Amino acid sequence: AQSVAQPEDQVNVAEGNPLTVKCTYSVSGNPYLFWYVQYPNRGLQFLLKYITGDNLVKGSYGFEAEFNKSQTSFHLKKPSALVSDSALYFCAVRGDNYGQNFVFGPGTRLSVLP
Amino acid sequence: NAGVTQTPKFRILKIGQSMTLQCAQDMNHNYMYWYRQDPGMGLKLIYYSVGAGITDKGEVPNGYNVSRSTTEDFPLRLELAAPSQTSVYFCASSRQILGDGYTFGSGTRLTVV
Repeated sequence: AQSVAQPEDQVNVAEGNPLTVKCTYSVSGNPYLFWYVQYPNRGLQFLLKYITGDNLVKGSYGFEAEFNKSQTSFHLKKPSALVSDSALYFCAVRGDNYGQNFVFGPGTRLSVLP
Repeated sequence: NAGVTQTPKFRILKIGQSMTLQCAQDMNHNYMYWYRQDPGMGLKLIYYSVGAGITDKGEVPNGYNVSRSTTEDFPLRLELAAPSQTSVYFCASSRQILGDGYTFGSGTRLTVV
């Protein structure tokens, strides 16, 4: 069975500091990993994805994520946080077999303090 | 470029009432999905469709029904609304490509009282 864990409900970081939002997963087959962001009263927006290739993937708004196969993790990072990055972040995974839908993590609320 | 359009944005229902949440996409995506989002619980899949005329249950289908008569539309029907169905509902669509993500609508906030 597929599953995603985001161990932190809330992450607080000061503006200008680096941020990390954690994600670990379990999936059959090779993983397709995604990060989405949700701003208040909005739908989820795609940030970045890992399908294959380089373990470090870069996405929108300066975010990046590192795929670690041995630790089954896909942590989201940004070198310098902005107040406007404050939002709810979801990690999602699906296996590389047809018929498997995405499984979403419970979400991590990021608050960037000025 | 509308993407995924959901209507209504907000709705208050009384217990036992019925309603249909509308979802339409203009990207010619084969796959469409309905999720509900509850605080701290992430997104739970209600129903999904891999093409017109084909639907299947997700993780939490009880109390809901769907139909997919066209590629563009994927309405979600709530029969006999219950307080447990108070949630935010998101429709999403995707191409039939494993490496693609989902395009989400802006959501419908439903309250059952």
